Amino acid sequence: SAVISQKPSRDICQRGTSLTIQCQVDSQVTMMFWYRQQPGQSLTLIATANQGSEATYESGFVIDKFPISRPNLTFSTLTVSNMSPEDSSIYLCSVRQGGDTGELFFGEGSRLTVL
Amino acid sequence: GEDVEQSLFLSVREGDSSVINCTYTDSSSTYLYWYKQEPGAGLQLLTYIFSNMDMKQDQRLTVLLNKKDKHLSLRIADTQTGDSAIYFCAWGFNKFYFGSGTKLNVKP
Repeated sequence: SAVISQKPSRDICQRGTSLTIQCQVDSQVTMMFWYRQQPGQSLTLIATANQGSEATYESGFVIDKFPISRPNLTFSTLTVSNMSPEDSSIYLCSVRQGGDTGELFFGEGSRLTVL
Repeated sequence: GEDVEQSLFLSVREGDSSVINCTYTDSSSTYLYWYKQEPGAGLQLLTYIFSNMDMKQDQRLTVLLNKKDKHLSLRIADTQTGDSAIYFCAWGFNKFYFGSGTKLNVKP
């Protein structure tokens, strides 16, 4: 199974600022995803981070608000831009490895609080 | 995304069985998964079932899949206080979608 490290694990941010979350995987993976989990809610897929090309965003999420980089097969970043209190959430990086079952592995998440 | 519904809360006594249900509206994935999220932690894969199967048993866990009714369930036998967590069903192939989550509370 993949080991995923996210930084920061938590942060308190001011309204209008931007924060970049880093995701490092201990092995090369084809598919990386970013999810958001708002307080008391389920996980919502933000985007698929594509290596060497622009991320693929889900409905309701746009690149200007959530720019994503994926420079190689082990690393990705998610930026939450121009934050508002509604962006207070846990942001989770996940990877899907090959093999028969292809399950998702998750990092511990980055808990952001926007004041 | 795909609609995947779960009951929000379940409370059981230690030693009882717990049954967590999930209803989904799309059936294009090869596998269906159950994840566990403990307070302040990430998601941990508990078990999975291949879409061609009706049942899978894995120690205290039993997964039942009814493809006709698009219904998935997770049964935890001899539930322990350490099983208290939020449980999510998940479905997908290139993209994964998650159910609303069921918070399981196990009383001693």
